[in-house]
Amino acid sequence: GDSVTQMEGPVTLSEEACLTINCTYTATGYPSLFWYVQYPGEGLQLLLKATKADDKGSNKGFEATYRKETTSFHLEKGSVQVSDSAVYFCALSKIKAAGNKLTFGGGTRVLVKP
Amino acid sequence: ETGVTQSPTHLIKTRGQQVTLRCSSQSGHNTVSWYQQALGQGPQFIFQYYREEENGRGNFPPRFSGLQFPNYSSELNVNALELDDSALYLCASSLAAGGSETQYFGPGTRLLVL
Repeated sequence: GDSVTQMEGPVTLSEEACLTINCTYTATGYPSLFWYVQYPGEGLQLLLKATKADDKGSNKGFEATYRKETTSFHLEKGSVQVSDSAVYFCALSKIKAAGNKLTFGGGTRVLVKP
Repeated sequence: ETGVTQSPTHLIKTRGQQVTLRCSSQSGHNTVSWYQQALGQGPQFIFQYYREEENGRGNFPPRFSGLQFPNYSSELNVNALELDDSALYLCASSLAAGGSETQYFGPGTRLLVL
């Protein structure tokens, strides 16, 4: 079945450091790929998405490129802030018999220190 | 524009009881999905409703059931609660059930089963 694997955390960084969170997926066909962010005590917020190979999603300084050849969708930010401290989830979605369910990775906790 | 709302925010039940969680979808959205997020894990797909019909189900037992109403709001019902049902329950709505459609999440209902 479909699956998403992302690097385990926690990832601890200093403010203004570069962030990369690796995400790889296993799926047949052509899934859409998403990054969601979850702040403490809250639900999930969409950070960015890409719907086809070589698409780049970007938002709030974060970027991720849909690489079909390596089945990856790594999240990057050039200069993190304390406010970026959160849990980040990589996910995929396909139209199947089970509707367009999202399949999530296990999440990566990021802590940015001042 | 009102986002996805869920009620209640927190709930404590005892094993064997039944619970109903509620979700109001974002304006104009006809598709609602429910997810269970255990502590420290990624969300797991429970089921999806599209125009009042179940449109896919994850690997959850029949004691997890749902409804979608004509205004596209939704309920999740869980019978015969077990300790392992303790989790954050997330509702997400989308414009349609297509694979590339973005799902927008509510803040969740945190259920504790004692």
